[in-house]
Amino acid sequence: KAGVTQTPRYLIKTRGQQVTLSCSPISGHRSVSWYQQTPGQGLQFLFEYFSETQRNKGNFPGRFSGRQFSNSRSEMNVSTLELGDSALYLCASSELAGGHTDTQYFGPGTRLTVL
Amino acid sequence: SQKIEQNSEALNIQEGKTATLTCNYTNYSPAYLQWYRQDPGRGPVFLLLIRENEKEKRKERLKVTFDTTLKQSLFHITASQPADSATYLCARRTGGYQKVTFGTGTKLQVIP
Repeated sequence: KAGVTQTPRYLIKTRGQQVTLSCSPISGHRSVSWYQQTPGQGLQFLFEYFSETQRNKGNFPGRFSGRQFSNSRSEMNVSTLELGDSALYLCASSELAGGHTDTQYFGPGTRLTVL
Repeated sequence: SQKIEQNSEALNIQEGKTATLTCNYTNYSPAYLQWYRQDPGRGPVFLLLIRENEKEKRKERLKVTFDTTLKQSLFHITASQPADSATYLCARRTGGYQKVTFGTGTKLQVIP
């Protein structure tokens, strides 16, 4: 099976702009989670989607949003970008949401730089 | 709130020795803990999962223990090799539809 894919891999934006990142989970996986990774804060949970419904949300401002489509592909959007949004954004897929064996499979990430 | 801490930011060990990484959590026990490996510029890769009712789990040179009394999980790599050099992350999920919380990671360097 193909792994989790994320597009684009690299992105440079300026403050105030908005950005949309895309994630295609492993075939058959219905759960998609998004994380932000920075050197100072580590991996921080953004949100999780399962069957097009947001199951969980982390402590991020409303500028961060996401959605999941019927084919399980997911997008996340960040509006009004700030310098502090520069990070590696990781997407992870798993077969179930919250299951005891829900191993998460991560994509390679999208490196976002905000200038 | 639930916290998960990995005590060492970095750990250097000699090739062939056993590396031991620590993960501590606060508040109530997670349903299970997971360990991941992350190489620079890549997403984390799942290694092992241990449930709260399990004391130990093994996979090849890897061993994970779970001590609910100490609120701690230990991750061991025996006969370490330079190829084991990476950042290792632990993660917890309390169960049900609870979010996953990751530790900040321990960067392991195995010196030849």
